[in-house]
Amino acid sequence: GQQLNQSPQSMFIQEGEDVSMNCTSSSIFNTWLWYKQDPGEGPVLLIALYKAGELTSNGRLTAQFGITRKDSFLNISASIPSDVGIYFCAGILLAGGTSYGKLTFGQGTILTVHP
Amino acid sequence: NAGVTQTPKFQVLKTGQSMTLQCAQDMNHNSMYWYRQDPGMGLRLIYYSASEGTTDKGEVPNGYNVSRLNKREFSLRLESAAPSQTSVYFCATHRGDMNTEAFFGQGTRLTVV
Repeated sequence: GQQLNQSPQSMFIQEGEDVSMNCTSSSIFNTWLWYKQDPGEGPVLLIALYKAGELTSNGRLTAQFGITRKDSFLNISASIPSDVGIYFCAGILLAGGTSYGKLTFGQGTILTVHP
Repeated sequence: NAGVTQTPKFQVLKTGQSMTLQCAQDMNHNSMYWYRQDPGMGLRLIYYSASEGTTDKGEVPNGYNVSRLNKREFSLRLESAAPSQTSVYFCATHRGDMNTEAFFGQGTRLTVV
């Protein structure tokens, strides 16, 4: 199936440190998305990537769409306590030439930031 | 603009009871999804609907049925709830092409005792 392997599963860092997480798959994806989920809430989009090789920043967040279209990474620079949460990668694969893609999620990375 | 609305937010069921989780969106999106989220398992796709009137099984469809009667609403039904279905359920919508993000509801926390 279209499984996404996300790593690491969890991270414990000090405030001010940089964070890096990634997702890999054996399948090729057309779109990569990175989401953050706060406790008790639904996931919220952080960054969307639509082209292989694309590097996109959103404030302290930077994400890249791997050139092979099978992987993506997310970096968070100078972490702050409110970065705590679960981060998910997600991929959209267009099925059989249709325009309707199924959204598949990685297992999530739980980030804890110590002040 | 409510976005994606899920009801109920919390529910406790006894084993064997049935219930329907409701999801409605006002974003005019074509695709809608139901996920369940369990600790350490991420978001697993139960069913999805690419457009009104169509549904497809996801990764974990057993024990669930869905209905997409119109563009706005996508419901998830548990016919005979089991403790293994204790989870947080999320509905999501997507415009339906590859260049858009998916939007999530607030989730339904279901406990089956």
